[in-house]
Amino acid sequence: SYELTQPPSVSVSPGQSAKITCSGDKLGDKYACWYQQKPGQSPVLVIYKDTERPSGIPERFSGSNSGNTATLTISGTQVMDEADYYCQAWDSSTEVVFGGGTKLTVL
Amino acid sequence: QVQLQESGPGLVKPSQTLSLTCTVSGGSITRGSSYWSWIRQPAGKGLEWIGRVSASGSTDYSPSLKSRVTISVDVSKKQFSLRLTSVTAADTAVYYCAREIVGELLNWFDPWGQGTLVTVSS
Repeated sequence: SYELTQPPSVSVSPGQSAKITCSGDKLGDKYACWYQQKPGQSPVLVIYKDTERPSGIPERFSGSNSGNTATLTISGTQVMDEADYYCQAWDSSTEVVFGGGTKLTVL
Repeated sequence: QVQLQESGPGLVKPSQTLSLTCTVSGGSITRGSSYWSWIRQPAGKGLEWIGRVSASGSTDYSPSLKSRVTISVDVSKKQFSLRLTSVTAADTAVYYCAREIVGELLNWFDPWGQGTLVTVSS
């Protein structure tokens, strides 16, 4: 079955750029999306179709996808961005695949 | 905009059936590219897709849960429902409903309901 791999944790200082990766076989041939989940809250879509931002999502969130890796970049990271982030893609065998999640710490 | 709200028992006994309903408000349940999905998350763990239903009633399920899952829709009530049979402690999780946008080789979930915790215990 298809798998998406994320680093368990990423740390960044406020104001710096945070990059969270998501790896999968030929992931660049698929579309990736990203969700932000703060403690005790539901996931929120922050990037879809690799690079698109839903309305209401700050411009500091951006995405890319090439080769085997999709990347979520948060520019000028703020303390409020501290959360778990999940990547997700479509797969022909399982329909929906989520990455294991990355805990972003801003300190 | 579209909002979703889960409802159902928070406690289910082992071997029994878990039943949840999601009510859609603020938008149409029959919008063309929309499907309606269930996703779960055990405490401290990641997200697991359970399955989806379209407004016409067509369904797709996760291969790992397919034998135990039924998802149905009631367009008149703007609701869709999840039934998971023969539950065990491993089914204890927060269950989310979400609108799924499906396209050619792509999908995403937006928005999500607030989630409801279901505990399997005697």
